[in-house]
Amino acid sequence: DAGVIQSPRHEVTEMGQEVTLRCKPISGHDYLFWYRQTMMRGLELLIYFNNNVPIDDSGMPEDRFSAKMPNASFSTLKIQPSEPRDSAVYFCASRDRGRTGSGEQYFGPGTRLTVT
Amino acid sequence: AQRVTQPEKLLSVFKGAPVELKCNYSYSGSPELFWYVQYSRQRLQLLLRHISRESIKGFTADLNKGETSFHLKKPFAQEEDSAMYYCALFPRGGSEKLVFGKGTKLTVNP
Repeated sequence: DAGVIQSPRHEVTEMGQEVTLRCKPISGHDYLFWYRQTMMRGLELLIYFNNNVPIDDSGMPEDRFSAKMPNASFSTLKIQPSEPRDSAVYFCASRDRGRTGSGEQYFGPGTRLTVT
Repeated sequence: AQRVTQPEKLLSVFKGAPVELKCNYSYSGSPELFWYVQYSRQRLQLLLRHISRESIKGFTADLNKGETSFHLKKPFAQEEDSAMYYCALFPRGGSEKLVFGKGTKLTVNP
């Protein structure tokens, strides 16, 4: 398996524009997580899905952020409108609950977002 | 509430010196503990999990339930160990989320 895939790897946009980040989890994994990483706040969980259903979105900063998972192999995180303070690295991770119920997560390479 | 504390934001050692990255947790149940490593501008990768009790890249970590700690150790640090290290807790039987510490940035000087 290629692991968790994210696109784009880098995104530079102007304030006010819509930004869409994409994630393809590892095949067969039933959990998907979106994180944001900044120097100031470290690693923050934004939202997670189980079997394509959003379970906990308490980490989503505000209504400008939305996430969807239309099927088991694709998820998007959208920011509309974007602001400079949204500049961060956004990671997607997936997990296979499986027989053991292990909490191990597999991370994607991240999308580095810069909003000017 | 579950919490993971990594008391050192920054840790600097010389090549060949021993290194210990501290991790303390609070959770009343039986947790699953992990160490993740993030090399510069790369993804987080699993380094160790307490269940497997293995040694990866010379690193070991022992779960001490009495002290609620899961410190990461390596007897002889190498320059390529320079990275960000995150301790994480999975509250088995509770939430499905990983609880991460704030991370420790390790720098190994030549």
